[in-house]
Amino acid sequence: EAGVTQFPSHSVIEKGQTVTLRCDPISGHDNLYWYRRVMGKEIKFLLHFVKESKQDESGMPNNRFLAERTGGTYSTLKVQPAELEDSGVYFCASSQAGLMRAGELFFGEGSRLTVL
Amino acid sequence: KNEVEQSPQNLTAQEGEFITINCSYSVGISALHWLQQHPGGGIVSLFMLSSGKKKHGRLIATINIQEKHSSLHITASHPRDSAVYICAVRPWAGGTSYGKLTFGQGTILTVHP
Repeated sequence: EAGVTQFPSHSVIEKGQTVTLRCDPISGHDNLYWYRRVMGKEIKFLLHFVKESKQDESGMPNNRFLAERTGGTYSTLKVQPAELEDSGVYFCASSQAGLMRAGELFFGEGSRLTVL
Repeated sequence: KNEVEQSPQNLTAQEGEFITINCSYSVGISALHWLQQHPGGGIVSLFMLSSGKKKHGRLIATINIQEKHSSLHITASHPRDSAVYICAVRPWAGGTSYGKLTFGQGTILTVHP
């Protein structure tokens, strides 16, 4: 069974450009989470999808970030326009529905974003 | 001050040594996760616990809810255990977002042969 996959693994862009990160959760996982780790800081929660709906987006830093999960399968996180402070590693995780399984998180390898 | 504090931040050990990594948190939680990240790799979930103790191979995780403290122990450490170990808690305020975690800074473990 394929795990959580993220693409690209590394993206280098210039300030002001747009980048789109993609996360493919484990098949059948309703819950999908985005996190980010900026240099020297702890990982922070960004948002949570249940299927195609945003359950909690309280961690999104500002309106330059747009997350979508059309069809409830893969998710994209777009940063537009990118700023220097957006540099970091963006992680995605997924979990099954249901009380017993929802907390068992499976993480992707992360997408490293470098904004110059 | 972060709601989740880990100690030590860096840990160097010789192969075979018993290792302990500590995690203290300041909020009420419904669960605590221990995660592992190898250099250049993704994050792997080691344990999720809300009480007591769990064991998997050479890894043991304990939690004391009253004292808001958890420990991760590695017995008979091996160079392949070298990684960043991250403690993350699910605050009660997270509602039904079970992955809405608050993370510690991580502990960098290096085990020498």
